[in-house]
Amino acid sequence: SAVISQKPSRDICQRGTSLTIQCQVDSQVTMMFWYRQQPGQSLTLIATANQGSEATYESGFVIDKFPISRPNLTFSTLTVSNMSPEDSSIYLCSVYGQSTGELFFGEGSRLTVL
Amino acid sequence: SQELEQSPQSLIVQEGKNLTINCTSSKTLYGLYWYKQKYGEGLIFLMMLQKGGEEKSHEKITAKLDEKKQQSSLHITASQPSHAGIYLCGAEKNNAGNMLTFGGGTRLMVKP
Repeated sequence: SAVISQKPSRDICQRGTSLTIQCQVDSQVTMMFWYRQQPGQSLTLIATANQGSEATYESGFVIDKFPISRPNLTFSTLTVSNMSPEDSSIYLCSVYGQSTGELFFGEGSRLTVL
Repeated sequence: SQELEQSPQSLIVQEGKNLTINCTSSKTLYGLYWYKQKYGEGLIFLMMLQKGGEEKSHEKITAKLDEKKQQSSLHITASQPSHAGIYLCGAEKNNAGNMLTFGGGTRLMVKP
């Protein structure tokens, strides 16, 4: 199994500011995934973060808006830049269990932009 | 791109009744995952199916993947209020694994 800790669990931010979300895993993983869940909607994959290389972004998401860092095999950050109310969502990081293929999620970071 | 359609979008059942949630793909599913989400909580992994015709059960929940690997169903027997939540199916985007796309979710309410 994998234990994932996300910080912050929730935050309220002003329009135009940026917020960095941290994701810490208790084991080394090759790939970490960042998802967004907007109110009333299903999960959407933002990007895949690989250690030692640039993140791979899904259609509709760009690095300038959602820069990602992956300094080592247990940690990643997602920054939501120049926030607007439309960015109000739950942001989740996720990893695969090494042997089971089970997908583990953090508890999520609930972001509200005023 | 892989698209997953879930049905129904929402469901209200009386406690004790059985129910089925469906997840249909336009392409072959390489890995199909079922999750449950309660408000304010993270996703809870339920089951993963990979082989055509595969069926798995856990307590009162049974998930099946059809032989063509394009449709999965989640069946709950004798539903309880604790089963209430949003059920999501997720599928691997390609045979390389690791990246998931999700269905729209099914919101389940169980009336006592």
